[in-house]
This record gives sequence, structure tokens and C-alpha cells, in this order.
Amino acid sequence: QKEVEQDPGPLSVPEGAIVSLNCTYSNSAFQYFMWYRQYSRKGPELLMYTYSSGNKEDGRFTAQVDKSSKYISLFIRDSQPSDSATYLCAMSAGGGTSYGKLTFGQGTILTVHP
Amino acid sequence: NAGVTQTPKFQVLKTGQSMTLQCAQDMNHNSMYWYRQDPGMGLRLIYYSASEGTTDKGEVPNGYNVSRLNKREFSLRLESAAPSQTSVYFCASSEAYEPYFGPGTRLTVT
Repeated sequence: QKEVEQDPGPLSVPEGAIVSLNCTYSNSAFQYFMWYRQYSRKGPELLMYTYSSGNKEDGRFTAQVDKSSKYISLFIRDSQPSDSATYLCAMSAGGGTSYGKLTFGQGTILTVHP
Repeated sequence: NAGVTQTPKFQVLKTGQSMTLQCAQDMNHNSMYWYRQDPGMGLRLIYYSASEGTTDKGEVPNGYNVSRLNKREFSLRLESAAPSQTSVYFCASSEAYEPYFGPGTRLTVT
């Protein structure tokens, strides 16, 4: 079983829809949770970063972490065609030199059609 | 401010050939990383360098070596390339919690 599981999709939604992307994990040591967006043939771009449990909002994006359930989510409101990309969840135990040692999910391919 | 840069962008190697992937960052970050991305596997950590002068193995280090040349530069070397090393390679750097990634090197080994 992988440490981080993410539904690869693909997910196709109409413009304006609310999108929910999710990951589950098994390592209870994870404390830092990130969502990256990756356009085709580009590097991952950091979207959201959350420490421990709770919610974080940034414009149309909301990240949620539930450590008790080992479950994280990314919500995209009013989705746009420009949101079409692969979304990767990533997490680390952090501490000392471990911050950038990320464990990634497989990525979810999202298409928002006009 | 270019962030993280990688060279080359594309490379085709024959089995057994060697090559070095170059990475540089201009954000004055202490930590640097090499990841590889394969279909259905997400990104996996190959090697990392917590600070200048130190390197350590990640999840998939076999077949690779690294050099942290100075604070800015972190190179990845394939001594004898194998078809299983066909992948997209990403370099990243971080100072605190979240790494920033370069544009990637697309490597094919035939």
C-alpha cells in the first residue's frame, strides 16, 4: 500500500463547478501538507501549504486537513478552463532538514470545459 | 530572479552512457532535491542535500550520484544509464517548508 493515495481521475467538470480533490495517507508523522498544480510538460507549482489540521483559504482555493482521519482535500470554487492541470498532493514529516522530503500522491488530472 | 533552472531540457541516451543533469537556484535556499516523475507514480525523491557539503539518499537512489557543488548548484549523475531511468527529472530547493521546483529534464534511455 502506498503511503499517499490519490485518485488519478481523470476528472472532467463544466466551467463554474466546485471541484473537490482528495488524498489519504497512512503515515501519522506527516505534519506539512501541500498541493501542487502541474501544467502539461511543466514543473509542479506550489498552490497551497498547510501545517497540521485545519483549513486554509486563498482566493478560489481552500485546503483542508483532517489528521484524525488522515485525509486532505483541495476545493476549487468557480472553476475555470485555466485550472485544467494535474493536481498533486504532497506531504512531509518536517523538522530539521526534512521539510522538502516530500511524499507525493499520484496526481489527479483535471479538465474544466467551457 | 529565475528561481530553479535545469539543463538540459531534453536528452536521449543509449544504455550504458553517462550524463550529468545540472540544477541551479538563485533564491539562496539551503536545501536542494532531485525527484523523478513516472506515469502513475507521482514524484519520488532520489537524493537531497540539506545544506552545502551534505548529501543523502532518498527513496530511489540506485543508479544515481549527486554533487552539491556550492550553495547554488546541485547536480545529478547517471554513470551507466538504463532504460528504467527513462523519466522526467525535477530539481527543487527550499529554505523552510515548501520546495520550489524547476521546469524538469525529460530523459529517454534507449
